[in-house]
Amino acid sequence: KNQVEQSPQSLIILEGKNCTLQCNYTVSPFSNLRWYKQDTGRGPVSLTIMTFSENTKSNGRYTATLDADTKQSSLHITASQLSDSASYICVVSPNTNAGKSTFGDGTTLTVKP
Amino acid sequence: DAGITQSPRYKITETGRQVTLMCHQTWSHSYMFWYRQDLGHGLRLIYYSAAADITDKGEVPDGYVVSRSKTENFPLTLESATRSQTSVYFCASSVAGAILGTDTQYFGPGTRLTVL
Repeated sequence: KNQVEQSPQSLIILEGKNCTLQCNYTVSPFSNLRWYKQDTGRGPVSLTIMTFSENTKSNGRYTATLDADTKQSSLHITASQLSDSASYICVVSPNTNAGKSTFGDGTTLTVKP
Repeated sequence: DAGITQSPRYKITETGRQVTLMCHQTWSHSYMFWYRQDLGHGLRLIYYSAAADITDKGEVPDGYVVSRSKTENFPLTLESATRSQTSVYFCASSVAGAILGTDTQYFGPGTRLTVL
């Protein structure tokens, strides 16, 4: 069964600090891996998308890495801001079926002043 | 540019009633999806559609019905609502099902449904 596991489940950091969120997956065959940010009460918004041939992708202060060999991805947030408080969701899609994308349960990040 | 919208945003209904949640997108994306999000669970796919008049089941389709007569609309109907269907429902759309290259999904704002 395809699985996506995210860690930690929740994280509290101080404003201005950096943090790294992890995503391990077993999805195969692999098409792409996406990181989403979901603010409380809103729908997820795409941060980065990586195919199997890419190992890093940046979007402002967000940098995602991908190791397709070990099936691991990380999302690094630099110089955190209060507005970074949200849930971060890792999604892995196979290259076979649109209905088979697997969503992680998310990491809830709280940034405190 | 409205993007993807859902209505209603909040709905309270009673067990056994029929409820329809609406989803509308303005991008002419081929694919549309319905997910539910419960505390302690990630987003779970209910149904998806690859084009008008083409729909397929996701992970948790029981108790739900969908239709797609027009590309831009993808309504979700709970035929006889149950308390276990209390959840937040998200609609999403994408160009190619988010399985090709850098294609991604765009999510609506969600509908919070409470079944009493």
